[in-house]
Amino acid sequence: QQQVKQSPQSLIVQKGGIPIINCAYENTAFDYFPWYQQFPGKGPALLIAIRPDVSEKKEGRFTISFNKSAKQFSLHIMDSQPGDSATYFCAASRGATYKYIFGTGTRLKVLA
Amino acid sequence: NAGVTQTPKFRVLKTGQSMTLLCAQDMNHEYMYWYRQDPGMGLRLIHYSVGEGTTAKGEVPDGYNVSRLKKQNFLLGLESAAPSQTSVYFCASFPLGGTPLAEQFFGPGTRLTVL
Repeated sequence: QQQVKQSPQSLIVQKGGIPIINCAYENTAFDYFPWYQQFPGKGPALLIAIRPDVSEKKEGRFTISFNKSAKQFSLHIMDSQPGDSATYFCAASRGATYKYIFGTGTRLKVLA
Repeated sequence: NAGVTQTPKFRVLKTGQSMTLLCAQDMNHEYMYWYRQDPGMGLRLIHYSVGEGTTAKGEVPDGYNVSRLKKQNFLLGLESAAPSQTSVYFCASFPLGGTPLAEQFFGPGTRLTVL
């Protein structure tokens, strides 16, 4: 009930490609869905986030697509760059304490 | 403004030893969290605090204790370390009444190895 399933585990794309990372959840009480980006040796940092009343959100080259009925959400990175190479985590939380349930992470490598 | 800092950055323990990890934040955030990160398992919440003097269990609290005596500090203790506690530990903080899309700010992590 509390899991957030993330796929793929790793992803390699060419520069300019559009990597897509998918997450699925089961608990319909989740009301906040952030994506975090983590570079090696660093802590995660918020990339973009969405609430379930919105089906899509775009910030720069990053877009979240949200499908409430399917209980799925995904991250798209447009015109990917080598500097986007990092590990990406989706997460979900419920309520005011913002306790995150994280996905298992996707290691993205963008080739120059 | 240092954000979230963690001490120490690295530590090696022997099985059965104890230690305390310190997290400090200078953003006056009410909420603080301790996570552990293991390969292939993402980040898992150990304990969290919604204010000074309060703590609560997360997903994986066994073998850990925490204290929040001061608003800016959140301590994670291992009373008797086990090899299964080898991990990278992250602290995070979050403002009370943060906007719905507000961010948890993470520290740089502590890499702990238990032999």
